[in-house]
Amino acid sequence: EVQLVESGGGLVQPGGSLRLSCAASGFTFSSYSMNWVRQAPGKGLEWVSYISSSSSTIYYADSVKGRFTISRDNAKNSLYLQMNSLRDEDTAVYYCASGSYYWFDPWGQGTLVIVSS
Amino acid sequence: DIQMTQSPSSLSASVGDRVTITCRASQNISSYLNWYQQKPGKAPKLLIYAASSLRSGVPSRFSGSGSGTDFTLTISSLQPEDFATYYCQQSYSTRRTFGQGTKLEIK
Repeated sequence: EVQLVESGGGLVQPGGSLRLSCAASGFTFSSYSMNWVRQAPGKGLEWVSYISSSSSTIYYADSVKGRFTISRDNAKNSLYLQMNSLRDEDTAVYYCASGSYYWFDPWGQGTLVIVSS
Repeated sequence: DIQMTQSPSSLSASVGDRVTITCRASQNISSYLNWYQQKPGKAPKLLIYAASSLRSGVPSRFSGSGSGTDFTLTISSLQPEDFATYYCQQSYSTRRTFGQGTKLEIK
């Protein structure tokens, strides 16, 4: 069974940093591109970042560019999101999602990040 | 960025109804359009990819159509488990964007 499990969320002060992880199992992780998508409380979905299977191609949403860094470790079947200079508006549930280059499938259960003083 | 606009934002319908949700892109995105279903407290699930292809395991009452700028998601006969929020998402641009969502509620 394909499974994605996020971790690393929590409460952080504005300007702080947090590192999210996504552990993958049940599929050949190294063959698939990965994404981070977030959802602020009560709001819609916002794509955050994409990384290709070999890490050769990376994209970011303008809202996080220069502050967030996506990475992966294919040997550990893991995806990461390093989040620096966090702002109140970064408060959200963060989902990792696999699938093709074009769509997100499946998704993890999400991890909540709260940026607040 | 490409803007995706869904209509309506919310919709009340009854079990057995035929429902259509529309998604409009701010520019031509060919068929690079996907649909997701999200239930409260849960992660989204892919329903339709490439505008009209049904994901394996998704009931055939769900269908998608359209190309260019205008797309539709149709549920042919609503079931109780279909009451959820639906999102469209474009993959034409490397900066992926979602519609604002359509909340489908029980009448």
